[in-house]
Amino acid sequence: GENVEQHPSTLSVQEGDSAVIKCTYSDSASNYFPWYKQELGKGPQLIIDIRSNVGEKKDQRIAVTLNKTAKHFSLHITETQPEDSAVYFCAASIEGNEKLTFGTGTRLTIIP
Amino acid sequence: ETGVTQSPTHLIKTRGQQVTLRCSSQSGHNTVSWYQQALGQGPQFIFQYYREEENGRGNFPPRFSGLQFPNYSSELNVNALELDDSALYLCASSLGAGRGSSPLHFGNGTRLTVT
Repeated sequence: GENVEQHPSTLSVQEGDSAVIKCTYSDSASNYFPWYKQELGKGPQLIIDIRSNVGEKKDQRIAVTLNKTAKHFSLHITETQPEDSAVYFCAASIEGNEKLTFGTGTRLTIIP
Repeated sequence: ETGVTQSPTHLIKTRGQQVTLRCSSQSGHNTVSWYQQALGQGPQFIFQYYREEENGRGNFPPRFSGLQFPNYSSELNVNALELDDSALYLCASSLGAGRGSSPLHFGNGTRLTVT
């Protein structure tokens, strides 16, 4: 089955700087890669996703890149703000089956 | 638009007991998935229900079972509770398995503690 690895497990960034979180996956059949943000006491919230037919997707301060050959994808957050502090999860699945395999999470702390 | 709601929010059970967790899917969504999230870990897929039938299962024993009702709400049942079942149980709904990559929308979960 699919295995998703995520790094780093913790990340501290000065407010205004950029943060990058990286994930690798094992199943070459995977073609849908969402990113979720989880705040304390809440469920994961989708922040951006990418499909294998594109290499990069951007939404305001958030961008995701995908390298299918190397089987890795990354989340980039620019101009970080205190409200970006949370745990971020990457995930992978085969498009259409909606059964996600999650990474182990990255705890992002924005230092004011 | 009503989001995914789960009940109860917290639950304490004793080893060997049985528990039922409930989930109401987001309006317009007909597929419900359940995930188990241990402390400090990512969510793990338990199973998915589509059109009231199980549509895929993760690596969980048969004592984890579920139901989906005609209104698309769902229940997760766990029998013979073990200490390792202590976790946050997340329900996620989506537009429909097999209809392209419909994003999963998660509820805030039920925190189950087994003592």
